[in-house]
Amino acid sequence: GEDVEQSLFLSVREGDSSVINCTYTDSSSTYLYWYKQEPGAGLQLLTYIFSNMDMKQDQRLTVLLNKKDKHLSLRIADTQTGDSAIYFCASGDGGSQGNLIFGKGTKLSVKP
Amino acid sequence: EAGVAQSPRYKIIEKRQSVAFWCNPISGHATLYWYQQILGQGPKLLIQFQNNGVVDDSQLPKDRFSAERLKGVDSTLKIQPAKLEDSAVYLCASSRTVYEQYFGPGTRLTVT
Repeated sequence: GEDVEQSLFLSVREGDSSVINCTYTDSSSTYLYWYKQEPGAGLQLLTYIFSNMDMKQDQRLTVLLNKKDKHLSLRIADTQTGDSAIYFCASGDGGSQGNLIFGKGTKLSVKP
Repeated sequence: EAGVAQSPRYKIIEKRQSVAFWCNPISGHATLYWYQQILGQGPKLLIQFQNNGVVDDSQLPKDRFSAERLKGVDSTLKIQPAKLEDSAVYLCASSRTVYEQYFGPGTRLTVT
């Protein structure tokens, strides 16, 4: 089946940039997403990118997509302690766009 | 705008008992999803509704899980009988478009 892979942990210092990476296998994915999950909470949609784009910027967030390598990254500029959470990459299912396939999540720890 | 509401937030049951979860989507969102998130994993889609019709239930264990969305608004997910491996967070999400899903806080189920 289709798969999305992410590294499990990332630790950065407050004020540094964080880069979270993701690879996916479904070449027919139309949308690629980044969600944030804080402890005990549901998933918060951070941003998404269409597969015909290679970059999207939204305030401190920059998403880069390399469709050829099926690689997606999320850069958080000026990372704050409030950014500590688990970040999930997800791809829109090729058959039914509503069906998201999630990675296992990257736990971002921000040290003061 | 109110978010996706779910109840209960926590539930502890013994194996072989039954349990039901409730979800109220964002007003006007025609599509509703139920996901299962096992500890340390990303969410996995169980069932997707468009209004009160099922779009995708291919990953729903139909021998024990059932879901309904009467009148195209609220939805209920039921497990009967529960197994130990059903311990997870059950997330409900809703969307108006295929590329923006909004998640509720989830119900954490513990089966002992």
